Amino acid sequence: KNQVEQSPQSLIILEGKNCTLQCNYTVSPFSNLRWYKQDTGRGPVSLTIMTFSENTKSNGRYTATLDADTKQSSLHITASQLSDSASYICVVPGGGADGLTFGKGTHLIIQP
Amino acid sequence: GAVVSQHPSRVICKSGTSVKIECRSLDFQATTMFWYRQFPKQSLMLMATSNEGSKATYEQGVEKDKFLINHASLTLSTLTVTSAHPEDSSFYICSATGRPGDTQYFGPGTRLTVL
Repeated sequence: KNQVEQSPQSLIILEGKNCTLQCNYTVSPFSNLRWYKQDTGRGPVSLTIMTFSENTKSNGRYTATLDADTKQSSLHITASQLSDSASYICVVPGGGADGLTFGKGTHLIIQP
Repeated sequence: GAVVSQHPSRVICKSGTSVKIECRSLDFQATTMFWYRQFPKQSLMLMATSNEGSKATYEQGVEKDKFLINHASLTLSTLTVTSAHPEDSSFYICSATGRPGDTQYFGPGTRLTVL
């Protein structure tokens, strides 16, 4: 069964600090892994898309890593800002009529 | 990147009324659109898949007579919640893709509140 599991479920950190979110998947066959940011009351917005051959990809203060052997990905946020407060969702194509398997997300709160 | 819009962004209606939500792909032709429902602190739940010019395919447990989907053009899909009840209150999100397997682009969502 295709599954995407994210941890932690929620996280609170102080502004300016770094944090790392985790995503483990069992989707097969694997083509790519996507990280989305969803602000409260908004739709998901793509942060990164990582293919099988990519180990690291950065988008500003966001850096995603992928280990296809262990089927793990992480999203590292550097020098967090208040605007980083959101849910971060890991999505892997595979399974479902929409071809996607969603993680439940990590709810991140940045405190001043 | 591609842009998907939704209208309205939020709607409040009385129980028993019907509400229509529009999903538009602004700069590409979307052969397939997906409709999701999201409850607080939950992940997106796929409701139905909509292909242009054909009937929508609904996920198990989703009532097709209650959630009417029309995908009449390559840039517009609509979701009509008929005879809405308070339990239908949720955040509805659409996504669109140009071709099967291509990246999906999500709309900003519509907050429905049924009183």
